[in-house]
Amino acid sequence: AQSVTQLDSQVPVFEEAPVELRCNYSSSVSVYLFWYVQYPNQGLQLLLKYLSGSTLVKGINGFEAEFNKSQTSFHLRKPSVHISDTAEYFCAVGAQKLVFGQGTRLTINP
Amino acid sequence: NAGVMQNPRHLVRRRGQEARLRCSPMKGHSHVYWYRQLPEEGLKFMVYLQKENIIDESGMPKERFSAEFPKEGPSILRIQQVVRGDSAAYFCASSPIPGLALNEQFFGPGTRLTVL
Repeated sequence: AQSVTQLDSQVPVFEEAPVELRCNYSSSVSVYLFWYVQYPNQGLQLLLKYLSGSTLVKGINGFEAEFNKSQTSFHLRKPSVHISDTAEYFCAVGAQKLVFGQGTRLTINP
Repeated sequence: NAGVMQNPRHLVRRRGQEARLRCSPMKGHSHVYWYRQLPEEGLKFMVYLQKENIIDESGMPKERFSAEFPKEGPSILRIQQVVRGDSAAYFCASSPIPGLALNEQFFGPGTRLTVL
C-alpha cells in the first residue's frame, strides 16, 4: 500500500521569502513521486516529478524537490516566492493510480 | 491541443436524483482516471479506464456509482440517487500511454457537484 503525508495544512510566508512544503511517503513498490499545484477553482497542474535518477528534481515556476529515500521524503522548495504562488499544493505517489496527500495551502503575504 | 475537458463545471442536484459527469480526454489519450476531492481534503482515486474497459475500480463506492469510457464519446461518471455526502469536486485526468510509470496524468478543471 502507498500513502502520503503532508505535514503542514497551511504555510504562510512573506513575498520573496524562501518556502519548503513537506511531504513524506510510504510505498512498498517502486516510488514515483509528484507535486501538483491547484489554483482556486481549477484543476491540478504538474509542477515536477521524480521517477528515477537524480534526487534533485527541478520543475516549473522555479520550484524544485529533493527525493530522500532514507527519510522517505520529497519536500518541495522555492528560494523566493511570489504572490502568484498562492495556491494549494499536493504531493502524490504512484503510477496509474495516484495517492494524494491532504494538501498544503500556501499563502503569500506582501 | 485542447486540454482535458469536463462538463458541466458546476452541477446541482437534489437528493435522489442522478448526476452525470462527462470527461473528454486530451487528443490522443486513451486512458482516463476519475478522482474525488471532498471539501478540505486531497484527491482520492476512484476508477481507471481505457476505451471500453475498466482497468481498476478499487476506489469506487460499491453502490450507486458507475463509470464508462465508450469507444466513441466522452467518459461518463454516473452517480445514481445522490446523497448530500456526494457533494464534492470530481476531477478527470487522462494519459497517453498505457501501463507505464512514466505516464503523466493531465487533469481537467473538475465538476463541482452540490447535492441539496
